[in-house]
Amino acid sequence: AQTVTQSQPEMSVQEAETVTLSCTYDTSESDYYLFWYKQPPSRQMILVIRQEAYKQQNATENRFSVNFQKAAKSFSLKISDSQLGDAAMYFCATYYNTDKLIFGTGTRLQVFP
Amino acid sequence: DTEVTQTPKHLVMGMTNKKSLKCEQHMGHRAMYWYKQKAKKPPELMFVYSYEKLSINESVPSRFSPECPNSSLLNLHLHALQPEDSALYLCASSQDAGNEQYFGPGTRLTVT
Repeated sequence: AQTVTQSQPEMSVQEAETVTLSCTYDTSESDYYLFWYKQPPSRQMILVIRQEAYKQQNATENRFSVNFQKAAKSFSLKISDSQLGDAAMYFCATYYNTDKLIFGTGTRLQVFP
Repeated sequence: DTEVTQTPKHLVMGMTNKKSLKCEQHMGHRAMYWYKQKAKKPPELMFVYSYEKLSINESVPSRFSPECPNSSLLNLHLHALQPEDSALYLCASSQDAGNEQYFGPGTRLTVT
């Protein structure tokens, strides 16, 4: 079965600093997507970034970038120049059997001024 | 536009009530999803509709009944719920199964 593991239940970072959230996964698929979602206290789940496994280049979206290590099945999220609005729960996710999105347990990120 | 809307935002219902949650998207997405989320936990998949047909039912109790009237709408009919069903119910959609999902703001359900 597909699994997604986030080993950091909580992380904290100072405003303007950089933080990296870890994610490892296990899959038998040859081609798949990986996602990071953010869920602020308002509770709406927001897509942060997407990585296609067949692409070697790491995805980047403004201050958010990933370090995708396919062989190691690792998919970490780097947030640069952290802002107070980045405080949220972050979930790593990937698909199982094409249509079932599997989430990790989440990392709660706190941002301090 | 990547908006998924959900109504109502909050719902309080008794165990004998019948109510419905509604989800709508106008992005032309062909897959729609219902999730249940408890506090401090990841969302748990309940149902998947692909091209208006139910493709996944994650062994959800029959007191939850999904419906997809058309490609833009997804309903979740609730009947005889239990207090443990209190949770945030999230709807999502994607272009097709396997693509990135876009989530609505959720309905906070409390069963008394």
